[in-house]
Amino acid sequence: RKEVEQDPGPFNVPEGATVAFNCTYSNSASQSFFWYRQDCRKEPKLLMSVYSSGNEDGRFTAQLNRASQYISLLIRDSKLSDSATYLCVVRGSGNTPLVFGKGTRLSVIA
Amino acid sequence: GAGVSQSPSNKVTEKGKDVELRCDPISGHTALYWYRQSLGQGLEFLIYFQGNSAPDKSGLPSDRFSAERTGGSVSTLTIQRTQQEDSAVYLCASSLIQGSNQPQHFGDGTRLSIL
Repeated sequence: RKEVEQDPGPFNVPEGATVAFNCTYSNSASQSFFWYRQDCRKEPKLLMSVYSSGNEDGRFTAQLNRASQYISLLIRDSKLSDSATYLCVVRGSGNTPLVFGKGTRLSVIA
Repeated sequence: GAGVSQSPSNKVTEKGKDVELRCDPISGHTALYWYRQSLGQGLEFLIYFQGNSAPDKSGLPSDRFSAERTGGSVSTLTIQRTQQEDSAVYLCASSLIQGSNQPQHFGDGTRLSIL
């Protein structure tokens, strides 16, 4: 079983739509969780950290379910500029390396 | 301030040659990581440096790969006797040392192509 699994997509949605991505992780000792965004031929950039109580940043909402080892990202009112690959990222304790999912590709269409 | 800087941006070389990739982390970041991303694949951890501790080399795919970090700042990743399967984007990231919730900041990467 892969450490971090994501639906690769692509998700093709119209502007203004709400879209949700899910991710599961296998290591129950994981302590930190992130969503990164990666544009085509660019480096990954941190979108948001994911906290146990769930957190929101503008149109983006992230949630964590430790019992089910499941992370989600909800994007409301999708913009064309949201088109990218969204990487689910998990980490153990301390400064251990990040473990990346392969990403979910989103295309927002006018 | 300046972000993570990597060089070269692109490198094309013949199979069997050695290559050296450079990473200059964000000033003050004591943790430095190397990853690689092959076409259509997720990021794969290679090696991790934290301060003066011995590096975590558990992700290096073979003994042809090595890395060093001199003076706790700049790091070089060396690939000896390159093979075609080494073709990938090599990404460097750095982070502050405190806490597991510190995000990693990535450089633009070096796109390595082995002919």
